[in-house]
Amino acid sequence: DGGITQSPKYLFRKEGQNVTLSCEQNLNHDAMYWYRQDPGQGLRLIYYSQIVNDFQKGDIAEGYSVSREKKESFPLTVTSAQKNPTAFYLCASSGTGAYGYTFGSGTRLTVV
Amino acid sequence: AQSVTQPDIHITVSEGASLELRCNYSYGATPYLFWYVQSPGQGLQLLLKYFSGDTLVQGIKGFEAEFKRSQSSFNLRKPSVHWSDAAEYFCAVVPNQAGTALIFGKGTTLSVSS
Repeated sequence: DGGITQSPKYLFRKEGQNVTLSCEQNLNHDAMYWYRQDPGQGLRLIYYSQIVNDFQKGDIAEGYSVSREKKESFPLTVTSAQKNPTAFYLCASSGTGAYGYTFGSGTRLTVV
Repeated sequence: AQSVTQPDIHITVSEGASLELRCNYSYGATPYLFWYVQSPGQGLQLLLKYFSGDTLVQGIKGFEAEFKRSQSSFNLRKPSVHWSDAAEYFCAVVPNQAGTALIFGKGTTLSVSS
């Protein structure tokens, strides 16, 4: 079945370490997105990519980086510059235009 | 500033009572409009969406939403709430002037009392 796979489900890292969250889709979607979810804040857009080798910053891109070398993959790196990285991270993809958004099951990152 | 506003952070409704969750947006053109639900520890599930046409949209689980252009609103309704509807509800828009990213409101937590 087609869908989005985020791994791992839970991730623990020490403060000051970079960490990369995986997001893979087999839906043949052109666009992919990363969101951060905090209690009471809703989902905030970190980065999105509408085509391979191109991506745009969202509302809270500082301290994060992404790459889009393949259509299927959109990994997110949480760098040591992100001051408060502990959060729930959701990846999504969509087909042409604004149709058919699919969300992954998320990665909960805890930095200690 | 362009935004999506859900004025109610937390709502408690008695089981069997009607429900209305409010959503307002501040984008110049009519965006694409969505409602999602998230149960604790679960991912997001799409309830319904509006792109154009009939302003009353039917969704899953007995939910409906009405788009009102004059009020820049897209409120979610359900005539009779069930205990299983307790969850967090998010309104989202795609400001279709550019890009395809969903922009979310901060969410409304629904509690259902017996």
